[in-house]
Amino acid sequence: NAGVTQTPKFQVLKTGQSMTLQCAQDMNHEYMSWYRQDPGMGLRLIHYSVGAGITDQGEVPNGYNVSRSTTEDFPLRLLSAAPSQTSVYFCASRKSSGRLYNEQFFGPGTRLTVL
Amino acid sequence: EDKVVQSPLSLVVHEGDTVTLNCSYEVTNFRSLLWYKQEKKAPTFLFMLTSSGIEKKSGRLSSILDKKELFSILNITATQTGDSAVYLCAVGNQAGTALIFGKGTTLSVSS
Repeated sequence: NAGVTQTPKFQVLKTGQSMTLQCAQDMNHEYMSWYRQDPGMGLRLIHYSVGAGITDQGEVPNGYNVSRSTTEDFPLRLLSAAPSQTSVYFCASRKSSGRLYNEQFFGPGTRLTVL
Repeated sequence: EDKVVQSPLSLVVHEGDTVTLNCSYEVTNFRSLLWYKQEKKAPTFLFMLTSSGIEKKSGRLSSILDKKELFSILNITATQTGDSAVYLCAVGNQAGTALIFGKGTTLSVSS
């Protein structure tokens, strides 16, 4: 198993550009999520999905869109990049087991810089 | 509002010392608390503590959960330079849809 994969590893954008961060998992996990990590801020949830066709907002959703057309893929779209979106982005997945959490697996991260 | 607070935010120790990292939480309808270690990459899972499993141990690392006082501690004994990392605590939210993370404790172990 490759686990959770993310592309690209690094990206530099100009203000106003759009792009998509890719995330895929091969563990047949129902639950997938996107976090951003900024210095001193821990991990903050952007969007999540409990299964194909179902997405919802997390703590910091503004400026981002997601979709979940398959179990495996959960792309994150930046609509019009802003310097405030400079961050490290992590995708994560886990098997859903009701409200009892189990281990959540993280991808390697994408370091995004917006100039 | 669900909240997870970790302390201290940073810690510097010498190899061989024992350290205790703290995590307090305010989450309605608590289900589980998870500890992660993050070096210069993605977080890796350490422990999960639930109502039915309030103490975990793996080698030099151990963790306990106090459900009454709403906190958890992570102990690392005989620290090594390889323990240098950010340690993250996370608690599941009431709806069961998200993990709420604390800001992390940065541990630096000097030789």
